[in-house]
Amino acid sequence: GAVVSQHPSRVICKSGTSVKIECRSLDFQATTMFWYRQFPKQSLMLMATSNEGSKATYEQGVEKDKFLINHASLTLSTLTVTSAHPEDSSFYICSASPTRSPEAFFGQGTRLTVV
Amino acid sequence: GQQLNQSPQSMFIQEGEDVSMNCTSSSIFNTWLWYKQDPGEGPVLLIALYKAGELTSNGRLTAQFGITRKDSFLNISASIPSDVGIYFCAGQSIYNQGGKLIFGQGTELSVKP
Repeated sequence: GAVVSQHPSRVICKSGTSVKIECRSLDFQATTMFWYRQFPKQSLMLMATSNEGSKATYEQGVEKDKFLINHASLTLSTLTVTSAHPEDSSFYICSASPTRSPEAFFGQGTRLTVV
Repeated sequence: GQQLNQSPQSMFIQEGEDVSMNCTSSSIFNTWLWYKQDPGEGPVLLIALYKAGELTSNGRLTAQFGITRKDSFLNISASIPSDVGIYFCAGQSIYNQGGKLIFGQGTELSVKP
């Protein structure tokens, strides 16, 4: 299957700082990527749809000014958690699909801990 | 957001036993996907289904796209310890908005050697 690489896999940051997470499609181009948040023992919760060359689309209840998404190329989307607080600690996962394919391939996930 | 109804939530089985889990939706889907997630990792795609009635295998795994297009099941035969993990169904509704997937709640599988 197609490969999606997410970096970093783990990050610890202090409250009030910002953290950037990268999501790359390594062997295909993706005009759309998705960002999820996952709490322990729960399913994936879609946060936003990242659109190459245009603004991201955020799900209801997700603060767009807090979770900044940039999709500057067909192989890279970034999620920046701004002014992080301990309640932002979570597992963040991205996914991408080859053009016109419904199959979504996921990154390895990023464990964010805000202290 | 909208979720699929996935069952069971958890299963505790003996090595060598067969496993079955399923997902149902109130709306019609045009794609069903099954994923496995290990702790601390992203989900990995196991099987993709595109047509009503389609039955697809991947090694010891078999999945079917329900004829009504509102359900799907995943079977694992002769389970082994490395099958442990959380299995998610996911689908695209016919009312799909921009490629979004809808996920089930997950089935946590434990295999006793």
